[in-house]
Amino acid sequence: DIQMTQSPSSLSASVGDRVTITCRASQSIATYLNWYQQKPGKAPKLLIHTASSLQGGVSSRFSGSGSGTQFTLTISSLQSEDFATYFCQQSYNSPITFGQGTRLEIK
Amino acid sequence: EVQLVESGGGLVQPGKSLRVSCAVSGFIFDDYAMHWVRQAPGKGLEWVSGISWNSGYTAYADSVKGRFTISRDNAKNSLFLQMNGVRPEDTALYYCAKDQGPGDHTVFSGFDMWGRGTTVTVSS
Repeated sequence: DIQMTQSPSSLSASVGDRVTITCRASQSIATYLNWYQQKPGKAPKLLIHTASSLQGGVSSRFSGSGSGTQFTLTISSLQSEDFATYFCQQSYNSPITFGQGTRLEIK
Repeated sequence: EVQLVESGGGLVQPGKSLRVSCAVSGFIFDDYAMHWVRQAPGKGLEWVSGISWNSGYTAYADSVKGRFTISRDNAKNSLFLQMNGVRPEDTALYYCAKDQGPGDHTVFSGFDMWGRGTTVTVSS
């Protein structure tokens, strides 16, 4: 199975900050990498698919990059509504696997 | 409006069976692969199972393989998860999720629509 490792596990930041979350795959997954945002008590929301494609309706302050085994999610200027938990996910092969999550908190 | 509505969760004893369902509306159900994803209380996301648009391909997490069966009824716009031999570690909120693609050739994509989930609790 492909292991997905996110870093950091938690992060404190302020409104207006630029934030980067990293996801590493245990083997190459090309660009079969997706990013989700989850707020407490809510279902996850797809932000980025195929490593760098912004999902429709998602703010352009979110961006993704990477290929192979190293990927990043960047939030260019944090807004209050961005404080949530973020998960990466590989869909290169089954079983599909998620990273353990990065909790983004207000500093 | 796209809707995915899960049902069938509840309290079940270890070793017993439970079937959860997902009723879908607002998109052409049989154009897309579908998935079950679970989340134990206070934990991360765990993919459970996926099924291609025509049920020709199914896949499972190692933790449920041989115990759970995913199926779909395209005529009724419904997705199912039959859970047999449940264990306490199966306790979680179970989400139904729509794939962005059809799941052809064993290839899945991102999950762009999710339900609110149904809670399964395994306890004696």
